[in-house]
Order: sequence, then C-alpha cells, then structure tokens
Amino acid sequence: RKEVEQDPGPFNVPEGATVAFNCTYSNSASQSFFWYRQDCRKEPKLLMSVYSSGNEDGRFTAQLNRASQYISLLIRDSKLSDSATYLCVVNGRDSGNTPLVFGKGTRLSVIA
Amino acid sequence: NAGVTQTPKFQVLKTGQSMTLQCAQDMNHNSMYWYRQDPGMGLRLIYYSASEGTTDKGEVPNGYNVSRLNKREFSLRLESAAPSQTSVYFCASSEALLGYSQETQYFGPGTRLLVL
Repeated sequence: RKEVEQDPGPFNVPEGATVAFNCTYSNSASQSFFWYRQDCRKEPKLLMSVYSSGNEDGRFTAQLNRASQYISLLIRDSKLSDSATYLCVVNGRDSGNTPLVFGKGTRLSVIA
Repeated sequence: NAGVTQTPKFQVLKTGQSMTLQCAQDMNHNSMYWYRQDPGMGLRLIYYSASEGTTDKGEVPNGYNVSRLNKREFSLRLESAAPSQTSVYFCASSEALLGYSQETQYFGPGTRLLVL
C-alpha cells in the first residue's frame, strides 16, 4: 500500500456544486495532516491543516478519520477559481523527525 | 519578504553537463527541502536539511548532491545530468524542526529543467 493515495480525478463539476476528495494513508502513527493546493505550473501552497476534530475554513471542510486512516476535503459552492490540483500530505513514518509525504494529487475542474 | 526564491527558472542541459540549482529563504526557517515533480508521480523528496549543517537523503537522491550553505541557502547539484532528471524542481522550507505537528512547508516557484 502506498503511503498516501488519492483518486487522481479529474473531477469535473459545475459552479456551485459540492465536491469531496478522499485520501488514504498507510502509517497509523502519522500525526500531521494537510491539504495543499497546486495551480497549473505553480508551486504547492497550504490550503488547510487537518485537525483531529475536523476543521472548516469558509467553503472548505477537512476531516480526519484515524480509525479508517483517511482524510477528506469538502468544497461547497464551487467557484471557477477552485480549479486546481489538491494534494493530500501526511507524516511519512513513525518517528517524528521525518519529512512529509505528498500524495499525487486530485485534479478539480470547475466548469461555468 | 520574498519567501522562497529559486534560480534559475528554466534550464536546458545536455546529457553529462553539470549544474547547480539555487534556493534561498528569508523566513529564518530551520528546515529546507528539495523535491522533483513529474507527471503522474507527484512530489518526490530528493534531499532535505533539518537544520543548518545537516542533510539527509529523501526518496530519490541518486544523481544529486546538496549543500546547506547557511541557514538561508540550500543548493542542489546535478553532477552529470541525465534525461531521466528532466523534471520540475521545487525547493521548500519550514519553520519547525521536522516532525512537529502542523508544520507548514513554503515552496519556491520551481525550476523547469530539460535534459537532452
């Protein structure tokens, strides 16, 4: 099982739609979870950290399910500007002193 | 603040040539990273430096060397470029030492490298 797995998409949704992405991770000891956003031909940028209790930032909601080892990102009322690739990011290994591991990303296209 | 800067933005090399990719951050971050990103492969870690004076291999270190010149600068060197090293290279930095929860990485704009 790969360390971090995501559905690559693309997800093509109309403006105003609600869309959800899931991501699974293999290391049950992982402690840090994030969603990054990457626009075409640009660098990744942090979208949200994912907390154990789940967290919301405007139209974006992130949730963590430790028992099933998955993270989700929900986008409500999609905008054209949400079109991007969304990267799921997790701690790589048991030890705290290791870098993050990035998923391959899920591509979202919001259509007018 | 410029954040994380990378030079050059684009480069074309012939097989066997060498080059150094430069990265600098002005956020006083402890940790710095080099990634490559290829279609369908996602971001893969080449090398990282948890703090000034230390470097460690990541997932795909073969064919690369790094130098943490000081706290601000972290360079990536290709001694003898190969077509398989054609990629987009991103440098990143983070404030906290590795492993701290909620560590955020800040990325540079990337270097697009083509090896013929």
